[in-house]
This record gives sequence, C-alpha cells and structure tokens, in this order.
Amino acid sequence: GQSLEQPSEVTAVEGAIVQINCTYQTSGFYGLSWYQQHDGGAPTFLSYNALDGLEETGRFSSFLSRSDSYGYLLLQELQMKDSASYFCAVRFRMDSSYKLIFGSGTRLLVRP
Amino acid sequence: DAGVIQSPRHEVTEMGQEVTLRCKPISGHNSLFWYRQTMMRGLELLIYFNNNVPIDDSGMPEDRFSAKMPNASFSTLKIQPSEPRDSAVYFCASSPRTTGDGTEAFFGQGTRLTVV
Repeated sequence: GQSLEQPSEVTAVEGAIVQINCTYQTSGFYGLSWYQQHDGGAPTFLSYNALDGLEETGRFSSFLSRSDSYGYLLLQELQMKDSASYFCAVRFRMDSSYKLIFGSGTRLLVRP
Repeated sequence: DAGVIQSPRHEVTEMGQEVTLRCKPISGHNSLFWYRQTMMRGLELLIYFNNNVPIDDSGMPEDRFSAKMPNASFSTLKIQPSEPRDSAVYFCASSPRTTGDGTEAFFGQGTRLTVV
C-alpha cells in the first residue's frame, strides 16, 4: 500500500525558517506535491517535485530525495499569514493510471 | 478566470434527504475531481473525470454517492439518502493536466455539508 508521514504540528517565529518533512512509502512513485490550506479555505497548490533536488519559488522551496523516499517544504522569512496546514501528496502509478494521495497535514503556527 | 466555483457553500440537511453539490471547473481544464475532507480521514479522492468521462470512482464510499459531468463546465455530486457520517467538506478541483492524478489541481472553496 501507500503511506505518507508528516508531523502533525510545527511552531515557528515570524521571520524564521521552518522545514516540514514528509516521508512516504509507495510503489510506482512519480512525484511529490505540496499544498497549503488555511483554516476554512481550500487547498492551494504550492509545488511539485518529480526529480531529486531543490525547487525554489519565492520564499518557498521544496526538496525531494527519491532514494530516501523523503521530501520537505522549506518556508523562509516566515510571515503570520503562513500559518496554515501544509499537505504533502504522492503521485504514483497503479493499474495503468496515475493517482494522488494526501498526507494528514502539518499545522504550522507562526508566532510573533 | 473566477477559479473553480462550488455551490452551495454550506448545506445542512436531515438524514435521509437527497443532497446535490455543484461544481463549475476552470474553463479549459480537462480533469475534474471530487474530494471529501474530514478530521478523521483527511483529504480523500472520491471520483475524477477526464474530458467529462468518469475515469476512476474507486473512492466513492457507497452506492448512495453518484457523480455526473454532463458537459465540460458543470459537474454534480449527489448523495441519496444522506447520513450523518457524510458530514464533511466536499471539494471540487480541476486541472489542466490530462493524467488525472490531481497534481497541480485548483480547488474550489468547498461545500460544508452537515447531515443531522
């Protein structure tokens, strides 16, 4: 089967850097996505890594190591508005089609 | 574009009643997804359509759930009869990708369903 693990909660200070880890177990792995969701809001796509390495988009970066079945989301220069839940999602191939499953989410609390 | 539009935003209904959730995807997107989110089970894919055709409905929990996409700009998710355990936030999402896996999907604001 497929599984993802990410911490349930992370707390950080405004202006700091925080890393949210995600480990996965899956066959037919194709890539790792990250989504942000504010309370009461919709998930918003942040990034997708199919290859090993770091992808940077502004203050957010996402990393993937396929050999370690591991990825992380790095948020720099934290702002209060970054307080939200962050979900990693694994894209994998099964029965000739692609599927996506979400982790349980990491709740990030940014303190002043 | 206004993004993915869902209606209603909130729905409260009595057990046994029929519930219909509606979704208008982003124009030009080829794939449409229905997700359900609860505290216990997280975000689960119920069904997805590719070019208006249902491709994978393995996530639909029971026969009480059905989904249709009569054209490229409209989809419905129906629950009949509804039960209290169906209470959740239901999201519709669309994607320009045709692989149907939901990567880079754009989500609507969701419908919060409460069945009493």
